[in-house]
Formats: sequence, C-alpha cells, structure tokens
Amino acid sequence: GAGVSQTPSNKVTEKGKYVELRCDPISGHTALYWYRQSLGQGPEFLIYFQGTGAADDSGLPNDRFFAVRPEGSVSTLKIQRTERGDSAVYLCASSLIPTYEQYFGPGTRLTVT
Amino acid sequence: DAKTTQPTSMDCAEGRAANLPCNHSTISGNEYVYWYRQIHSQGPQYIIHGLKNNETNEMASLIITEDRKSSTLILPHATLRDTAVYYCIVRGPSGTYKYIFGTGTRLKVLA
Repeated sequence: GAGVSQTPSNKVTEKGKYVELRCDPISGHTALYWYRQSLGQGPEFLIYFQGTGAADDSGLPNDRFFAVRPEGSVSTLKIQRTERGDSAVYLCASSLIPTYEQYFGPGTRLTVT
Repeated sequence: DAKTTQPTSMDCAEGRAANLPCNHSTISGNEYVYWYRQIHSQGPQYIIHGLKNNETNEMASLIITEDRKSSTLILPHATLRDTAVYYCIVRGPSGTYKYIFGTGTRLKVLA
C-alpha cells in the first residue's frame, strides 16, 4: 500500500520567507509526527499529533514553527521568517496508533539561502 | 526515555552476519527497544522492536540481554543494500511516543 508521502521533496527559499511543508500519512494512521534532521545527525522530534490535536509540541524550536492537522489526516508544517539555520531535512512519520511503530516519509529538504 | 549508546561505525563483509550493539543502561522496565535504519537520502525504515524477549522477523533478529541494559541487532547475511545508518531507540509505552534518535551506527557492507 501507499506509504507516507511528503511534498515538496525539495524546497529552496530565501531568508525571511514563509514556507509550508506537507505530509500525507498512511491512510487510517491516527498518530503523526514531524522530525527535523540536520546533516550528520539523527532525526530530532518536533511535534506529535494524535488525531487533529497537537499532543506534544515540545520539540518546536521557537514560535516561527507551527503545524496543523485540521482533519486528522494531512498535516502541514509552517515556518515563518525562515532563517539559514532552518535548513535541514524535515521528516514526517505516522503510526496506526501511538504505541505502534512509526513509518517515515522520504522527507522534504529545505534550503534557506 | 532512556538514552542509547552505539558505535559510530562498523564494517561487515558481504554475506556475513552483521552484529550491531547498543547500550541502554538506564532503560526502564516498560520501555521498548526499537531499531531503524536510514539509507542515504531516505527516511528511516523500521526494522524490529522488542521488550525483553528475543525477536526475529524477515529482516533481522534482536537479542536483548537479560538485564535489558544492552541489545544487539543481527542482520544474518548482510548484503551491499544493508549499508546504512542504524539507529537504536528506547521508547516507553506511555507519553507521547516520540523517538529520540542518537547519531546511530554507520554500517558499511564490503564486497
């Protein structure tokens, strides 16, 4: 079946611009996670959704980062006033229920110039 | 969630078993051990997980010591396609279920 998909696969933006990254989880998966991965590092947790609500947003680095999941399926990660330090691969993962294993998408590579 | 320690890198000859160790000395009784791998430019891929019993699936085997302070992921017949970064993660059954990744072990399978 279809896995987790993320769009775009690559995004180049200028410093100060706004970007949106989209995640389509596996159908029926109630839990959705966003992670960020910098070069040479393991993924770093950003936010977790159970259904439509953000159950844990403790990993968001600051208030420029925001994520939504209005219908409990697709999620969008939004970054305002992008900075060069935001450049990374943004990964989305979903799981059928939170206690099950997570399945990751291919990621969106964000480059802020 | 407990932290894990893994060697930075390992080599393995093609066709041989690859044994990847992980230390998780502060693991709690209800925390699971998960293994993922990440092939270059892809998202992490689930391999296997366990609580205290040894586990085996079509990809690998997971051996957890009796005191649960360490574990070993075994790829029985490594191929070139198994070259990847392997992450050992400890996660509780409660809370937010997020994964806390370390830097993993970079496994290189040699022809």
